[in-house]
Amino acid sequence: AQRVTQPEKLLSVFKGAPVELKCNYSYSGSPELFWYVQYSRQRLQLLLRHISRESIKGFTADLNKGETSFHLKKPFAQEEDSAMYYCALTLGAGSYQLTFGKGTKLSVIP
Amino acid sequence: EAGVVQSPRYKIIEKKQPVAFWCNPISGHNTLYWYRQNLGQGPELLIRYENEEAVDDSQLPKDRFSAERLKGVDSTLKIQPAELGDSAVYLCASSLREALLAGANVLTFGAGSRLTVL
Repeated sequence: AQRVTQPEKLLSVFKGAPVELKCNYSYSGSPELFWYVQYSRQRLQLLLRHISRESIKGFTADLNKGETSFHLKKPFAQEEDSAMYYCALTLGAGSYQLTFGKGTKLSVIP
Repeated sequence: EAGVVQSPRYKIIEKKQPVAFWCNPISGHNTLYWYRQNLGQGPELLIRYENEEAVDDSQLPKDRFSAERLKGVDSTLKIQPAELGDSAVYLCASSLREALLAGANVLTFGAGSRLTVL
């Protein structure tokens, strides 16, 4: 069965420092990978997806099939980035089964 | 647009009592999901609907959980009787099937219903 692992429950960085939220997955096929974010008192929402190869709010994520990773990165953290971040995957295009990791809480210290 | 609407936002009940959660998805979204999120965990799928048909309920504990989406729009998730371990946030999400088939698996989530079982 597929699995998503986020090894850090909590990550604290200073404002302006680089951020890397780790995500590893296990699945033998070709998954689609996503990052979802939940800001305080807000609902869970999509941040970015690997098929779009986009940068959202300064965040990027590269799918590394060799290392089965999809780490989320941002060169300079901002206070408003503080939130819960969830890595998730589906089993490929058209798949409905979205599997989430346990999440990492990012705290940006002013 | 209101997005995915869920109610109630909070519910506290004693064990063995019944509870029901309601979800109104985004207009036009034919796929509806119920997820459960335990404390410190990511969301886990309970059931998925395509219009009014439950097409994936393999993770739904059927002895005490039931769900329905009678007219293919609103949905209700029920627990009867509730147990202490059912305390969690119950999330409803919706998506457009056509977008999924195009490879854009983007789910829009509601705010969730937080259940506390005493």
